[in-house]
Amino acid sequence: QSALTQPASVSGSPGQSITISCTGTNSDVGAYNYVSWFQQHPGKAPKLMIHDVSGRPSGVSSRFSGSKSDNTASLTISGLQAEDEADYYCSSYIGSSTVIFGGGTKLTVL
Amino acid sequence: QVQMVQSGAEVKKPGASVKVSCKASGYAFTMNYIHWVRQAPGQGLEWMGWINPNSGATNSAQKFQGRATLTRDTSINTAYMELSGLTYDDTAVYYCARGIMTTTPMLSPWGQGTLVNVSS
Repeated sequence: QSALTQPASVSGSPGQSITISCTGTNSDVGAYNYVSWFQQHPGKAPKLMIHDVSGRPSGVSSRFSGSKSDNTASLTISGLQAEDEADYYCSSYIGSSTVIFGGGTKLTVL
Repeated sequence: QVQMVQSGAEVKKPGASVKVSCKASGYAFTMNYIHWVRQAPGQGLEWMGWINPNSGATNSAQKFQGRATLTRDTSINTAYMELSGLTYDDTAVYYCARGIMTTTPMLSPWGQGTLVNVSS
């Protein structure tokens, strides 16, 4: 099973919105509504930002939202802030009680 | 608050084994799966497997089957990941994370990570 496909990098200016895509197949992203997004700052552990495609854990800013269309999930960050600069990873359930991650996307706030 | 605290960094020689611990607190240990994820230097996240602390049942990514052993000790709320036959490619930070919804990737919180350095 290959990793989910994410763009290597995205960038945006403060206040703008950006979207990070996560492309899989009809055996993973397309088959289940179990897609999560994680934020990871350098040298830190990942943090859950979105679960089950569009669910937002308590304490996560409403500027973060998730969606899915066919085999592609997306993370949108609105009102970009300097503190959002980090690596972002998507993850999907792929059946047989297993999980897979995307390759990660580096977000730069200009 | 819910916390996952991992054991300290390890240096191992090729061919050796390493055992990383993950102590959970702030919730009922047997109620949530614990997943293991690793991250090689400068690379992305790689899912390794999970353990159900209640039953001891485990499941691993095919890549790690036969080489990674997941166990737990419910008396001290601690999960373990042992990786055998280490190679230089196993140099990575190893994370444990609470699986809020069993086998799905709803993972939170994560441990602080344990660096395993495979070096001769």
